[in-house]
Amino acid sequence: RKEVEQDPGPFNVPEGATVAFNCTYSNSASQSFFWYRQDCRKEPKLLMSVYSSGNEDGRFTAQLNRASQYISLLIRDSKLSDSATYLCVVEGYTGGFKTIFGAGTRLFVKA
Amino acid sequence: DTEVTQTPKHLVMGMTNKKSLKCEQHMGHRAMYWYKQKAKKPPELMFVYSYEKLSINESVPSRFSPECPNSSLLNLHLHALQPEDSALYLCASSGAGELFFGEGSRLTVL
Repeated sequence: RKEVEQDPGPFNVPEGATVAFNCTYSNSASQSFFWYRQDCRKEPKLLMSVYSSGNEDGRFTAQLNRASQYISLLIRDSKLSDSATYLCVVEGYTGGFKTIFGAGTRLFVKA
Repeated sequence: DTEVTQTPKHLVMGMTNKKSLKCEQHMGHRAMYWYKQKAKKPPELMFVYSYEKLSINESVPSRFSPECPNSSLLNLHLHALQPEDSALYLCASSGAGELFFGEGSRLTVL
């Protein structure tokens, strides 16, 4: 089983749509959780951290369920500029802090 | 603009060459990382340095040799690479969770 698993993509949605990405992780001792965004041929950049209480940043909402080892990202009112790969990232300590990336979910937002 | 600087941006090398990738950050971060990323795949962790000491080596072949000369610099020495080592090599640093990536060094091994 992969340490971090994400929904297979790609997701093709029209502008204005709401889209949800899901992610599960296998290490129950994981401590920190993030969503990163990566544009084509660019480096990954932090989109948002994910907390058990849930957090929202404009059109983006992230949720963490530690009991189910599940993370989600909701994007409302999708924009063309949201087209990118969204990476679920989990950090834990196993002899050193390790940050593990999920395979990523590709999102295409179309006019 | 990224605060993690990587050089060179592009590198083409033969299988018998020795080359080095360099990474620099001035954010005072004490953890630095090397990741390898192939096309349409996520970044794969290679090495982690914490307080200038190697803390994680993800069973990377010895033809990749990391070095952390000081808290701001991270190098990746390359020797006798194989064509399948062609990839984007990303350096990152972190202070309190978030990873800051450089733009990467795109390596082609002929």
